[in-house]
Amino acid sequence: QLQLQESGPGLVKPSETLSLTCTVSGGSISSSSYYWGWIRQPPGKGLEWIGSIYYSGSTYYNPSLKSRVTISVDTSKNQFSLKLSSVTAADTAVYYCARIITMVRGQGWFDPWGQGTLVTVSS
Amino acid sequence: DIQMTQSPSSLSASVGDRVTITCRASQSISSYLNWYQQKPGKAPKLLIYAASSLQSGVPSRFSGSGSGTDFTLTISSLQPEDFATYYCQQSYSTSLTFGQGTRLEIK
Repeated sequence: QLQLQESGPGLVKPSETLSLTCTVSGGSISSSSYYWGWIRQPPGKGLEWIGSIYYSGSTYYNPSLKSRVTISVDTSKNQFSLKLSSVTAADTAVYYCARIITMVRGQGWFDPWGQGTLVTVSS
Repeated sequence: DIQMTQSPSSLSASVGDRVTITCRASQSISSYLNWYQQKPGKAPKLLIYAASSLQSGVPSRFSGSGSGTDFTLTISSLQPEDFATYYCQQSYSTSLTFGQGTRLEIK
């Protein structure tokens, strides 16, 4: 079955750029029926959608993060990636990647999810 | 952004109880509403999509209803494994948003 796995540094310094990659296995990232998304969860808090990407490169971003976020896709590696610039302690969170089952424009539900990776912003 | 508000924020219940969690949207979202269950240290798991469609493999004691701005998730008879945090999420807008979560605890 489809599996997603996040990877990247667990510690990032303030003002630097957080970079994570999600590797998709058991299915193709180039499927026309899906978008691929990033979601984060600060410790002890709720879920926040960061952004989504289609295999063609079309993206949607959370307006509150848009100025700092870039999501890209590499279909040859079956991966998509997140970059979040100018991080602060408020960006400390578990970051999840997930497939979005969507009818149109990335509007859909998340399933399945990766296991998540904790990224701490600290000097 | 469409704001999603869940109530209650926390809930204590016993095994066998019938439990209802409510999610309200700040504007009409038709039936573009999804529900997730999250256990400590784990990723969220999809339970219900499109307001009332049960995800494959999810027990039938879970059900969803509603349209417009008001939605409910009902667990008909709580099982020990159901104690978790539940989130709603709207997919009406291209800017996806979640409710703040409802923590379901053992009484």
